[in-house]
Amino acid sequence: SAVISQKPSRDICQRGTSLTIQCQVDSQVTMMFWYRQQPGQSLTLIATANQGSEATYESGFVIDKFPISRPNLTFSTLTVSNMSPEDSSIYLCSGGTGPGGELFFGEGSRLTVL
Amino acid sequence: SQQGEEDPQALSIQEGENATMNCSYKTSINNLQWYRQNSGRGLVHLILIRSNEREKHSGRLRVTLDTSKKSSSLLITASRAADTASYFCAADQAGGFKTIFGAGTRLFVKA
Repeated sequence: SAVISQKPSRDICQRGTSLTIQCQVDSQVTMMFWYRQQPGQSLTLIATANQGSEATYESGFVIDKFPISRPNLTFSTLTVSNMSPEDSSIYLCSGGTGPGGELFFGEGSRLTVL
Repeated sequence: SQQGEEDPQALSIQEGENATMNCSYKTSINNLQWYRQNSGRGLVHLILIRSNEREKHSGRLRVTLDTSKKSSSLLITASRAADTASYFCAADQAGGFKTIFGAGTRLFVKA
């Protein structure tokens, strides 16, 4: 199993600013993903974080808005750029050891944009 | 839309009763997983069923999978108040590396 730590756990930000969320895994995982979850809703996959290369984004999500880094197997960051109130959400980092395997989740980062 | 559908969206039962949640997905899959999320927390993996399996048990959990109908169900037997949470199915797409989550069922178990 893997333990995933995210920070910040929550933040309140001003419109137009950017926030970087960090995700640290306590063991090596092959796959790392970033999801967004509106309160009371399901998870929407933002992108797959690829080690040492550009992330793979899902439809509706672009690198300019959500730049992602993954410099090694245990660490990734997601930046929410030029934030608007519509970006208010919970952002979840997850990791897995292979395609189709169990995913481990962080506790999430709750972002409120005023 | 990324997501499959789950029903019911919300379910309220008495402690001791069984809870059944259903999930439908859109694409061919390798596996189907179920996760639980307590309010304000991350997701916790419950059970995984492979595409060549039809039924799987784990403690009070029973999962079925019908790939011809692209559907799955999760049964929680003898529910407890501590089972109150949201439950999500998650489809591991065949030929891919990503996991797509269903809309989720919010279960409330009354003591």
